[in-house]
Amino acid sequence: EAGVAQSPRYKIIEKRQSVAFWCNPISGHATLYWYQQILGQGPKLLIQFQNNGVVDDSQLPKDRFSAERLKGVDSTLKIQPAKLEDSAVYLCASSHRDNPNEQFFGPGTRLTVL
Amino acid sequence: RKEVEQDPGPFNVPEGATVAFNCTYSNSASQSFFWYRQDCRKEPKLLMSVYSSGNEDGRFTAQLNRASQYISLLIRDSKLSDSATYLCVVRVPAGTALIFGKGTTLSVSS
Repeated sequence: EAGVAQSPRYKIIEKRQSVAFWCNPISGHATLYWYQQILGQGPKLLIQFQNNGVVDDSQLPKDRFSAERLKGVDSTLKIQPAKLEDSAVYLCASSHRDNPNEQFFGPGTRLTVL
Repeated sequence: RKEVEQDPGPFNVPEGATVAFNCTYSNSASQSFFWYRQDCRKEPKLLMSVYSSGNEDGRFTAQLNRASQYISLLIRDSKLSDSATYLCVVRVPAGTALIFGKGTTLSVSS
């Protein structure tokens, strides 16, 4: 079974630039999550989708971050404009409706903002 | 107060040692509890769920004390391959996302 796919794996941008990350969850997983993991911290939820609807985006900095999952499968997370403090690993995870306790994470996108 | 707090670490132990990690959570409405493992520069992976009655998986034992809002993970007979960061994780209502602690780093040496 294929795991959660993410791209790109690494991205270096300058502050005030824009960047987008892509995630394709495990086939059949209705729930998709985007997490931000800053060095030395645990992952922090940015947004949770159930199919193509948003379940929780309370911690998403909506002035600069946006995410979509238009067809309920793959998802894109965008940052515009980026700030230095956005440097982190952006992890996508998915879970099956019948077992929300086990989330499967992708390899992450390591973002460096200069 | 952080929602999930863990021992700061790092823990440096020799092979064969027994090591225990502690974790506390602030929300008494938390319903589900887990330990995830994260290898260096890799993604987190579920290690085990934690139940009120305590549960064991090989060399790993997890315990939950709801009254004290305390979770623990015991690793017996440590192996080099146990070197990783161990993340304490809770979920409040069912269906919501996971809340992660900062993690405790374990380094097992020969």
